[in-house]
Amino acid sequence: GESVGLHLPTLSVQEGDNSIINCAYSNSASDYFIWYKQESGKGPQFIIDIRSNMDKRQGQRVTVLLNKTVKHLSLQIAATQPGDSAVYFCAEKRGYSTLTFGKGTMLLVSP
Amino acid sequence: DAGVIQSPRHEVTEMGQEVTLRCKPISGHDYLFWYRQTMMRGLELLIYFNNNVPIDDSGMPEDRFSAKMPNASFSTLKIQPSEPRDSAVYFCASSFGGTEKLFFGSGTQLSVL
Repeated sequence: GESVGLHLPTLSVQEGDNSIINCAYSNSASDYFIWYKQESGKGPQFIIDIRSNMDKRQGQRVTVLLNKTVKHLSLQIAATQPGDSAVYFCAEKRGYSTLTFGKGTMLLVSP
Repeated sequence: DAGVIQSPRHEVTEMGQEVTLRCKPISGHDYLFWYRQTMMRGLELLIYFNNNVPIDDSGMPEDRFSAKMPNASFSTLKIQPSEPRDSAVYFCASSFGGTEKLFFGSGTQLSVL
């Protein structure tokens, strides 16, 4: 989920497990959604995106699910690896607007 | 592909000093964005350009902040005078054809003492 204030929500998983990171978005009119991964000391890196006319999209080891009814977005990572440890951000936009980013979720993967 | 290049990586300065952050977008990209990241406020859009023209600067905190894009391969973000509350990581990002899939630089960690 998204954070409030200084503390990022944290998801801790074991290597090899599947991870699910959730995001509740605010604008029911948003038509584009995107997930970014940010490793310590680096800039956000694109993972996967999805438009509102889809409810699922798959990439390499990642799947994004969109539930417009409840304004919920999730990122599923299969067979999580230590290198997946990072902060994950969802972002949304509508029409010609710019991306609005969530506060992020920290994923910690234990070997 | 070198990606978005930002300089400096780290900047430590004293309150009242002028700070200039630099960005080279990915070649061929026609959009450029400046973001600020703090733990409290997350990623905030400061300003963005399309074809070197500022489109929306409503996120610029105040007149102490200014941004320029003199050509397609270079942009600056200037803070004058700097204040401790400006301490943050500043990211530049670029994209092609729209405001969706942004490519971010590694950021500039700014500390104002």
